[in-house]
Amino acid sequence: QKEVEQNSGPLSVPEGAIASLNCTYSDRGSQSFFWYRQYSGKSPELIMFIYSNGDKEDGRFTAQLNKASQYVSLLIRDSQPSDSATYLCAGDLESSASKIIFGSGTRLSIRP
Amino acid sequence: EAQVTQNPRYLITVTGKKLTVTCSQNMNHEYMSWYRQDPGLGLRQIYYSMNVEVTDKGDVPEGYKVSRKEKRNFPLILESPSPNQTSLYFCASSLGLLTGELFFGEGSRLTVL
Repeated sequence: QKEVEQNSGPLSVPEGAIASLNCTYSDRGSQSFFWYRQYSGKSPELIMFIYSNGDKEDGRFTAQLNKASQYVSLLIRDSQPSDSATYLCAGDLESSASKIIFGSGTRLSIRP
Repeated sequence: EAQVTQNPRYLITVTGKKLTVTCSQNMNHEYMSWYRQDPGLGLRQIYYSMNVEVTDKGDVPEGYKVSRKEKRNFPLILESPSPNQTSLYFCASSLGLLTGELFFGEGSRLTVL
C-alpha cells in the first residue's frame, strides 16, 4: 500500500515564527506533490505543488522536495493566526499519475 | 464563478436506502474524483474519472458506483448504504495537466443509521 505520512500534530507555533510541516512518502516513483490547507469545516484548497527537487517559493510559503530521501516539506514564514488550519500533503503514484494519495494531515495552531 | 457543486450538503439516511450525491463543475475540467474524509484517516480516493465514460477505482471503491456521462457531472451512487459509509464526502476536479491540482466542492456529510 503506497502511503503518504504526516505527523498529525497539533503543531503550535508563535505568531511571526516559521512553521515547518513535514511529509514522507513510500512510492519512490512519485513525481508530483501537493500541499493543501483545510480550515475546520471547510474543503481543502491547494496552496502549492512541487515536482522538482529543491525549493519552490510562493509568498510566505516554501515547498521543499527531496526525492532521494522521499521527503516533502512546507515552510510558512511570518506565521499568522489565519494560517491555523490542517495541512494535507498529497502525492501521485508512479503507477498512475491519476491516483492522488493524501496524508492524514497536520493540524497547525498559530498562537498570538 | 468557478466552482464544484455538491448536493446534498447534509444527509441522514437508513441502511439500504439507495442514494446519489451529485457533483457538477463549471470549469470544463476533464478529471474528476470522489474522496471520503474520516478522522485520522485523511482523504481517501473512492473513484476518479479521466474524461467522459472513463472511470477507475481509487483506494476505497467498495460499496460505491459512479458514472461520467457528461463532462461536468460525476455523481456518486450508494446502492445500499451501510453505517461504515458514514463520512464526509468531497468531489474534486482538475484540469488534468497535474491531476493533483484539485478544486474541491464544499463537501457532503452523510450519516447512515
